[in-house]
Amino acid sequence: DVKVTQSSRYLVKRTGEKVFLECVQDMDHENMFWYRQDPGLGLRLIYFSYDVKMKEKGDIPEGYSVSREKKERFSLILESASTNQTSMYLCASSLAHYEQYFGPGTRLTVT
Amino acid sequence: QKEVEQDPGPLSVPEGAIVSLNCTYSNSAFQYFMWYRQYSRKGPELLMYTYSSGNKEDGRFTAQVDKSSKYISLFIRDSQPSDSATYLCAMTGGKLIFGQGTTLQVKP
Repeated sequence: DVKVTQSSRYLVKRTGEKVFLECVQDMDHENMFWYRQDPGLGLRLIYFSYDVKMKEKGDIPEGYSVSREKKERFSLILESASTNQTSMYLCASSLAHYEQYFGPGTRLTVT
Repeated sequence: QKEVEQDPGPLSVPEGAIVSLNCTYSNSAFQYFMWYRQYSRKGPELLMYTYSSGNKEDGRFTAQVDKSSKYISLFIRDSQPSDSATYLCAMTGGKLIFGQGTTLQVKP
């Protein structure tokens, strides 16, 4: 079974802090994705990566950056956390782009 | 207009009912159509996918795609309380686009 793990289930940070969300997959997938999920807005793509050291902006990249130094690890960085970044963050990986496997999510609260 | 429209519900049915979940879309380039299930406080998990038009069956679940109407459906037969979850449709012709999700509650 594909396993995607995320570093934290729940996280509380203060406005202005730099926040790191880590994601690791164990199936040697090329593709990795970061989404945020908000009520009424569904899943929105923040960034994705098709290869090591490669990244592409999704639909809402503002205020975020990513890092992919190793194939199995994809990190999401909030450079200066703001209250409007309070959300559920979901990482996913895939071999085929349509068949994504999600991690359990990180519920981030910025106060 | 959103590329993918999905009624958010909530939808509440008695155990054993047949459930119909639906999505409409506007982009005729979509080729793969997926249904994901998301339990509370968990990430979505892929339930089924269909390539192009047609039906696909997996146990109590049937996915239908009608590309001429730009309409996809997921049917759940003999629904169980364990089917209570949010169901998200998703589709792609390149980038994966998700619907908002429909919350389903199956009451014992």
